[in-house]
Amino acid sequence: DSGVTQTPKHLITATGQRVTLRCSPRSGDLSVYWYQQSLDQGLQFLIQYYNGEERAKGNILERFSAQQFPDLHSELNLSSLELGDSALYFCASSGSGQGLSSSTDTQYFGPGTRLTVL
Amino acid sequence: GQSLEQPSEVTAVEGAIVQINCTYQTSGFYGLSWYQQHDGGAPTFLSYNALDGLEETGRFSSFLSRSDSYGYLLLQELQMKDSASYFCAVDGTAGNMLTFGGGTRLMVKP
Repeated sequence: DSGVTQTPKHLITATGQRVTLRCSPRSGDLSVYWYQQSLDQGLQFLIQYYNGEERAKGNILERFSAQQFPDLHSELNLSSLELGDSALYFCASSGSGQGLSSSTDTQYFGPGTRLTVL
Repeated sequence: GQSLEQPSEVTAVEGAIVQINCTYQTSGFYGLSWYQQHDGGAPTFLSYNALDGLEETGRFSSFLSRSDSYGYLLLQELQMKDSASYFCAVDGTAGNMLTFGGGTRLMVKP
């Protein structure tokens, strides 16, 4: 158990809908990262938040957005869902997010949310 | 851009040693990480190399050569539970964003 929690575990929805995925980082971690894992695209970085502020952006679609709240939990919002959005969505957290110069920057992954778009 | 190459599949027998290679092309480089992922599970951190050389953690070791843009994960005394996918990942930015390779599926046979 990494200490990172994600809800829900599974989500089944229809095309065109909007969903929200939730992540709680490990106690004390300031950075939250979102990744998407699909069979054809592998594990891809979407976005990083550090202490409530957006810090880095990857291949995140404009239909997707995220935020980190004052209690450091994060939500990933996916809208106008398409069949191709079906994937595992992982949240990870780390201590500082400044770079892997120390053990505090190791990213610990949550169990993931499996999204199925029908 | 950034790209990482690793073999898609490796098969080995219980008790053997296996090496999973990773070559990378990145615009920036802070270090190379390795993660293990069992089917349906979350990626689990195994090791990290920022400097050239070998890092050993129990049965697992990881090596990095920055000049060759190359690293490997060495798994010794293979056990059935080591059957999983192994990902190399580069930390190429100050923000700690990870770019992952496509993963190597390791099958350990009795």
